[in-house]
Amino acid sequence: AQKITQTQPGMFVQEKEAVTLDCTYDTSDQSYGLFWYKQPSSGEMIFLIYQGSYDEQNATEGRYSLNFQKARKSANLVISASQLGDSAMYFCAMREGGGGFKTIFGAGTRLFVKA
Amino acid sequence: GAVVSQHPSRVICKSGTSVKIECRSLDFQATTMFWYRQFPKKSLMLMATSNEGSKATYEQGVEKDKFLINHASLTLSTLTVTSAHPEDSSFYICSAMMALSGETQYFGPGTRLLVL
Repeated sequence: AQKITQTQPGMFVQEKEAVTLDCTYDTSDQSYGLFWYKQPSSGEMIFLIYQGSYDEQNATEGRYSLNFQKARKSANLVISASQLGDSAMYFCAMREGGGGFKTIFGAGTRLFVKA
Repeated sequence: GAVVSQHPSRVICKSGTSVKIECRSLDFQATTMFWYRQFPKKSLMLMATSNEGSKATYEQGVEKDKFLINHASLTLSTLTVTSAHPEDSSFYICSAMMALSGETQYFGPGTRLLVL
């Protein structure tokens, strides 16, 4: 069965520093997609970054980068130059392969950015 | 960017009544929409996958007669919580995938349901 694990319920980071949010996954599919979403206190889910299982290069989107280590089945999110507005809940998610679109989410990591 | 709206944003209803939540993709056509439920400080739990013009596929443990899903057009899906009870109180979020793009889901802002 597919599974997403986020082992850090909460993380603190100093403003302007980088932070890594961990995510490991388990799947028997060869083709799958990995996502990170941000959920501020307002509740909306904001798409941050996507990595396909066949993508050889790590995905980057502005201050966000995804450290994809396929053999270790990890897809950690790196946020560089943290800002106060980055304080939110972060969810790692995986889309199943085989043409299906079902996506499962990890438990989430709450990030606190300190001034 | 792709925009998904939900209406209402929050609703309070009496136990036993039915509540309809709308999910609209505003600037794109969505062949597939998803409905999630999120309890406080918990992750998103997929309830069902909705494809335009066909019956929704419900996840195990989700009562299809209680959570009615209709995806009548490429821009609209509705979730009706029938005979709502206090335990149905939750944050309901929809997401939509663009036609011809199978990668990214765009989420609505969510609907907070409180059943008294």
